[in-house]
Amino acid sequence: GENVEQHPSTLSVQEGDSAVIKCTYSDSASNYFPWYKQELGKGPQLIIDIRSNVGEKKDQRIAVTLNKTAKHFSLHITETQPEDSAVYFCAAKMVGSRLTFGEGTQLTVNP
Amino acid sequence: NAGVTQTPKFRVLKTGQSMTLLCAQDMNHEYMYWYRQDPGMGLRLIHYSVGEGTTAKGEVPDGYNVSRLKKQNFLLGLESAAPSQTSVYFCASSYSLSDLSYYEQYFGPGTRLTVT
Repeated sequence: GENVEQHPSTLSVQEGDSAVIKCTYSDSASNYFPWYKQELGKGPQLIIDIRSNVGEKKDQRIAVTLNKTAKHFSLHITETQPEDSAVYFCAAKMVGSRLTFGEGTQLTVNP
Repeated sequence: NAGVTQTPKFRVLKTGQSMTLLCAQDMNHEYMYWYRQDPGMGLRLIHYSVGEGTTAKGEVPDGYNVSRLKKQNFLLGLESAAPSQTSVYFCASSYSLSDLSYYEQYFGPGTRLTVT
């Protein structure tokens, strides 16, 4: 089955700096890569996703890049704000299969 | 729309006790999922359902049972709780399993379960 590894497990940045979280996946058949944000005491919520036919996708301050050859994808958050502090999960999925999640990254944005 | 709701929010069990976690969604989603979240291990799928009356095993199904008698409800049961089942449990739902345009999973707020 699919295996997703996520790094780093914790990330601390100063407000206004950029944050990058990286994930690798094992199965080249995976074609869908979402990112979920989990705020304290809440369930995860989708913030951005990318499909295998696209190399990059942006939504305001967040962007995701995908390198199919290397089988890795990354979340980029620019101009970080304290409200970006949360746990971020990457995931990968093949057609007709379930989502496989990474281990999560605790992002802390220091004012 | 309440989205996905879970009851209870917290529960403490003694080893060997049983309990049922209830998940409800009001989005008319076909697919529902139960995950457990443990530190450093991300979200692991326990069981899932592709429609009313159907269930299937996920990655870590041992020690759990599920039922989907109504489309909007998905129940997770622990017949004989063990300390290894101490975790945060999340229910999720989605409209589709294969159509990526409708695959977003919507999560409930979670149930924190402690087994002593």
